[in-house]
Amino acid sequence: DVKVTQSSRYLVKRTGEKVFLECVQDMDHENMFWYRQDPGLGLRLIYFSYDVKMKEKGDIPEGYSVSREKKERFSLILESASTNQTSMYLCASWEAGGYNEQFFGPGTRLTVL
Amino acid sequence: GNSVTQMEGPVTLSEEAFLTINCTYTATGYPSLFWYVQYPGEGLQLLLKATKADDKGSNKGFEATYRKETTSFHLEKGSVQVSDSAVYFCALSEGGSQGNLIFGKGTKLSVKP
Repeated sequence: DVKVTQSSRYLVKRTGEKVFLECVQDMDHENMFWYRQDPGLGLRLIYFSYDVKMKEKGDIPEGYSVSREKKERFSLILESASTNQTSMYLCASWEAGGYNEQFFGPGTRLTVL
Repeated sequence: GNSVTQMEGPVTLSEEAFLTINCTYTATGYPSLFWYVQYPGEGLQLLLKATKADDKGSNKGFEATYRKETTSFHLEKGSVQVSDSAVYFCALSEGGSQGNLIFGKGTKLSVKP
């Protein structure tokens, strides 16, 4: 069974802290994605990666960076957390050449105080 | 650019009622279309998909037909259950090698006993 895991389900951080959100997939997928989900706004793409050490900005990259040192792991970094980054963060992976179905992790609900 | 529009919620139904959640899209070319479901506290799961015009996706009693002439992919279920209470997202794939999805804003469904 395919699996995408995220390091934390719930996280509480202080303004200005550096925050790491980790995502791991066991499907050997090339592509991985980070979204944030907010009420009334749906899912918005922050960054995606189509290979190790490769990354592309999504629709809302400001305030975020990413790291992909290994194929199975994709990290989202909040360099200096702010209250407007309080949100649900969802990671997904996709196998190139498939029917474009993305597989999602359970999400991390981040609260920045 | 490509976009997905789905009916706004919340939608509240009684058990065994008929469900329709409307979804229309704007896209160039021939996208694949998806419905994802998010149960409370969880990530997104693929509910059903259709990859070409006139295809019907179905799963767990839900159905949606890819209508190119009306650019629609409406979700239907003949008799909803309390366990169907969730947020439903319509999405399209832009194709290409990166697997990016464009999501609607989501429709929250509540089913009362």
